[in-house]
Amino acid sequence: DTAVSQTPKYLVTQMGNDKSIKCEQNLGHDTMYWYKQDSKKFLKIMFSYNNKELIINETVPNRFSPKSPDKAHLNLHINSLELGDSAVYFCASSPIPGQGRRETQYFGPGTRLLVL
Amino acid sequence: AQTVTQSQPEMSVQEAETVTLSCTYDTSENNYYLFWYKQPPSRQMILVIRQEAYKQQNATENRFSVNFQKAAKSFSLKISDSQLGDTAMYFCASSTYNNNDMRFGAGTRLTVKP
Repeated sequence: DTAVSQTPKYLVTQMGNDKSIKCEQNLGHDTMYWYKQDSKKFLKIMFSYNNKELIINETVPNRFSPKSPDKAHLNLHINSLELGDSAVYFCASSPIPGQGRRETQYFGPGTRLLVL
Repeated sequence: AQTVTQSQPEMSVQEAETVTLSCTYDTSENNYYLFWYKQPPSRQMILVIRQEAYKQQNATENRFSVNFQKAAKSFSLKISDSQLGDTAMYFCASSTYNNNDMRFGAGTRLTVKP
């Protein structure tokens, strides 16, 4: 039944480590996203992927890299983790407009990352 | 570019009462979508209501309705008969028509009091 899933739900790690967060959607959507929600609850888009093509790359450090092995997955790799990377990371997906499906982004449950 | 502004960091309402959350936005797009998302303590982002900018009729979903004023770029959310389960952060968002660029407001923390 899970529409958009993320693993892990919680991730605690040391500064300087490299980590990955996985995202999978079973909705048949064409576009997937990564968002960062900081401690003040501000939600900001990081990446958008459509047919393995990066559409949006906001001012995100190149330590962050999205990897999409197929249309149903968009993983987030983070190298050399810093204290400021601590946040909740959300994956989302949406269909292409005009295909008779509701043009809305569906969010995963979030991954809480804590960098010590 | 799109920007979304929510000017009410926190609000509270008594159970069964009505509350309105404010949102203004700015966009250069001709066609766009507007959304309200709810984030309860569980952290899950839940879609509350969605409005297509080219539709004049205000969207409604059960106890939730919007007041969409396109000329004023205003998109407020009205919650009727508030319930304890409505306690959450509420985010207003706008999206381009292809839904590839969604921008969120800073959120309003709503507390429903018994």
